[in-house]
Amino acid sequence: LAKTTQPISMDSYEGQEVNITCSHNNIATNDYITWYQQFPSQGPRFIIQGYKTKVTNEVASLFIPADRKSSTLSLPRVSLSDTAVYYCLVGEVRKLIFGQGTELSVKP
Amino acid sequence: ETGVTQTPRHLVMGMTNKKSLKCEQHLGHNAMYWYKQSAKKPLELMFVYSLEERVENNSVPSRFSPECPNSSHLFLHLHTLQPEDSALYLCASSQRAGDWGGYTFGSGTRLTVV
Repeated sequence: LAKTTQPISMDSYEGQEVNITCSHNNIATNDYITWYQQFPSQGPRFIIQGYKTKVTNEVASLFIPADRKSSTLSLPRVSLSDTAVYYCLVGEVRKLIFGQGTELSVKP
Repeated sequence: ETGVTQTPRHLVMGMTNKKSLKCEQHLGHNAMYWYKQSAKKPLELMFVYSLEERVENNSVPSRFSPECPNSSHLFLHLHTLQPEDSALYLCASSQRAGDWGGYTFGSGTRLTVV
């Protein structure tokens, strides 16, 4: 299971674009990169998943460079409701293992 | 509502009590999971069930006993718990074990052991 490293916390203001980078230097060939979001006292929610290059959905974009040793979750124009913990997960195993995540705080 | 329902939402129990947490999903998923989340800590995987068979037991103490009677229901039976077992217990399901992009979590049961 590839180890991931993310910033513990980030601050932003409403309307800004937020980029959260995750390092995964020992990512394997078959590994996908998956991001989840968790609000306080709720279960995590799937945001986006990718393998290489760029993936975009209605919530976020995921940028993956050619070497795949890192990835960046991009949240366009954040609002107060985007305050949450964001988890980066890498691997192709039967169990979902969460790290510490990045605690994003959006201020008015 | 995510499609995974957990009851109760809150539970306070004494160390000598026996209680059960319930999880229900009607998403047609074949894998179900229990996670524990203590304050300011990452989620810890406890148990994994695939097609009603336990495929993972992550060194969880025997005072936690899971039960999966069918693919839609998952229980966590609790007995003689300790105060350090107080946490948010989350249930999740997925189409198959390891389907990372397709995990659906419930809202959790906030357990307090007194």
